[in-house]
Amino acid sequence: AQKVTQAQTEISVVEKEDVTLDCVYETRDTTYYLFWYKQPPSGELVFLIRRNSFDEQNEISGRYSWNFQKSTSSFNFTITASQVVDSAVYFCAYSFSGNTPLVFGKGTRLSVIA
Amino acid sequence: KAGVTQTPRYLIKTRGQQVTLSCSPISGHRSVSWYQQTPGQGLQFLFEYFSETQRNKGNFPGRFSGRQFSNSRSEMNVSTLELGDSALYLCASSLGPTQPQHFGDGTRLSIL
Repeated sequence: AQKVTQAQTEISVVEKEDVTLDCVYETRDTTYYLFWYKQPPSGELVFLIRRNSFDEQNEISGRYSWNFQKSTSSFNFTITASQVVDSAVYFCAYSFSGNTPLVFGKGTRLSVIA
Repeated sequence: KAGVTQTPRYLIKTRGQQVTLSCSPISGHRSVSWYQQTPGQGLQFLFEYFSETQRNKGNFPGRFSGRQFSNSRSEMNVSTLELGDSALYLCASSLGPTQPQHFGDGTRLSIL
């Protein structure tokens, strides 16, 4: 069965620091998709990125960047120059179909302190 | 463009009762999925509907059921509520079964 591990339960950084959230997955599927979602205190899960298993190119979107490495089964997420508004719980997720069902990690709670 | 709308936002029930939660997907989205989020178990997939048909089902007892209407709106029902059903129930919609999901704010269900 597929499994997603986010070993960091909570991270606290000072504003403007860079922070990396780790995600390790286990699967025997050859085709799969990896996701990151952000959950602010309001509860809504905000979609950040989807990456398929054939695309190992790193991606950058503003202050966010993602590093996908199949060799280590990792899909890490870095926030550069963190801001207070980045404070949230971040979930890494897996899907074999591109959509559902999503298998989520336990999440990493990020607190950015001003 | 309106997002996924879930009603009600908060609900308090007692053990043994039943409850119905509603989800209106983003306009044009035909796939709707439901997830349960608890502090202990995290986010767990309940079921997915596409064009009024259940495509996938998670590992939950038969007390949890759902349906989707022709306008893509979905409802989930939980019968004979137990204390352990207290959770945040999240609905997500997507254009189709292989497209990324967009989530609503959730319904927080508390069982007394």
